[in-house]
Amino acid sequence: AQSVSQHNHHVILSEAASLELGCNYSYGGTVNLFWYVQYPGQHLQLLLKYFSGDPLVKGIKGFEAEFIKSKFSFNLRKPSVQWSDTAEYFCATTVGGGADGLTFGKGTHLIIQP
Amino acid sequence: EPEVTQTPSHQVTQMGQEVILRCVPISNHLYFYWYRQILGQKVEFLVSFYNNEISEKSEIFDDQFSVERPDGSNFTLKIRSTKLEDSAMYFCASTGIEGVLAYEQYFGPGTRLTVT
Repeated sequence: AQSVSQHNHHVILSEAASLELGCNYSYGGTVNLFWYVQYPGQHLQLLLKYFSGDPLVKGIKGFEAEFIKSKFSFNLRKPSVQWSDTAEYFCATTVGGGADGLTFGKGTHLIIQP
Repeated sequence: EPEVTQTPSHQVTQMGQEVILRCVPISNHLYFYWYRQILGQKVEFLVSFYNNEISEKSEIFDDQFSVERPDGSNFTLKIRSTKLEDSAMYFCASTGIEGVLAYEQYFGPGTRLTVT
């Protein structure tokens, strides 16, 4: 069975700091990878996704992630965070098509201090 | 922008009672899902639904759970006899046309179920 590990459960940064959140997955075959964000009081929103092609994917709000197959990793990055990036971030994966459920990591609670 | 909606936002029920959680997926979407998140734990997949039948279900989705699309818009999750450990946030999601876009799941705001 697949699993997703997020190494940092709580991260506190100051505004303008650079961000990298780690994500590792366990499945050895072809995977689809996602980062979702949940802002306080809001629902899960898709930040970015990787299916194939360029391993560096860009998402909304200045976020990007790099798929490194040899490391089974899909880390999320942002060069300069803002206070409004305070949220819960979830890495997730599927291995198949439209019907497959997402396997989520435990999430990282990110707090940006002004 | 179209959204997935869920009702109620919070449901309190007594152990052993039946509950129905309701979702309205985005109107032209084809695949529907239920997930749950127990407080402090990860979001877990329960079931997916396509073409009026279950496509995939997890080990969590046992005989006390059922899903239904009773009309063209609603998608429901029924828990037949609730247990304390069913207390969680339940999320509905839907995804669109086949192909690449079928991978993008759109989530509702969730229903917090509290079993006492």
